[in-house]
Amino acid sequence: EDQVTQSPEALRLQEGESSSLNCSYTVSGLRGLFWYRQDPGKGPEFLFTLYSAGEEKEKERLKATLTKKESFLHITAPKPEDSATYLCAVQVTGRRALTFGSGTRLQVQP
Amino acid sequence: DVKVTQSSRYLVKRTGEKVFLECVQDMDHENMFWYRQDPGLGLRLIYFSYDVKMKEKGDIPEGYSVSREKKERFSLILESASTNQTSMYLCASSFRGPSDEAFFGQGTRLTVV
Repeated sequence: EDQVTQSPEALRLQEGESSSLNCSYTVSGLRGLFWYRQDPGKGPEFLFTLYSAGEEKEKERLKATLTKKESFLHITAPKPEDSATYLCAVQVTGRRALTFGSGTRLQVQP
Repeated sequence: DVKVTQSSRYLVKRTGEKVFLECVQDMDHENMFWYRQDPGLGLRLIYFSYDVKMKEKGDIPEGYSVSREKKERFSLILESASTNQTSMYLCASSFRGPSDEAFFGQGTRLTVV
């Protein structure tokens, strides 16, 4: 069975305090790994897709990396507006839909 | 910009009612999905459709059905609403291709009383 596990469940940072969120996965065949951001009461917003181990992508203060077993979302010098829930999802070979982790709730305090 | 629009942000329905949740996308996407999101459980797939009139069950289809009569519209139907169907419902769409990132609507928070 395909599994996606995110850690920690919740993370509180001070503004400017860099950290990383983890997404570990056990799947039969990875087609792609996705990161989304979700604000309270809203739908998830697409951030990144990673396809192969060693791949990295960046967007502003966010950087996503991928290995054969896990992905990290690195947040450099976060700001309060980065506060949100970050969701990781995988797409498995032969399956159109995504399998999601339960998310990491990030709070950045001024 | 891709736009996925869900017909209602909030709904309150009574137990036993038939409930329709509507979703429309404007990007000519082949795939459309319905997920529900519950605290601690993440997003779970209810149904998806890869073409007009085509559908496949997801991980938790019991108590739900779907309809896709037009490419841009995907409806989720709760045949007889129950309190355990109280949840946030999210519609998504994507192209049929290797870069299958899904774009989500704003969600419908359904409360069944």
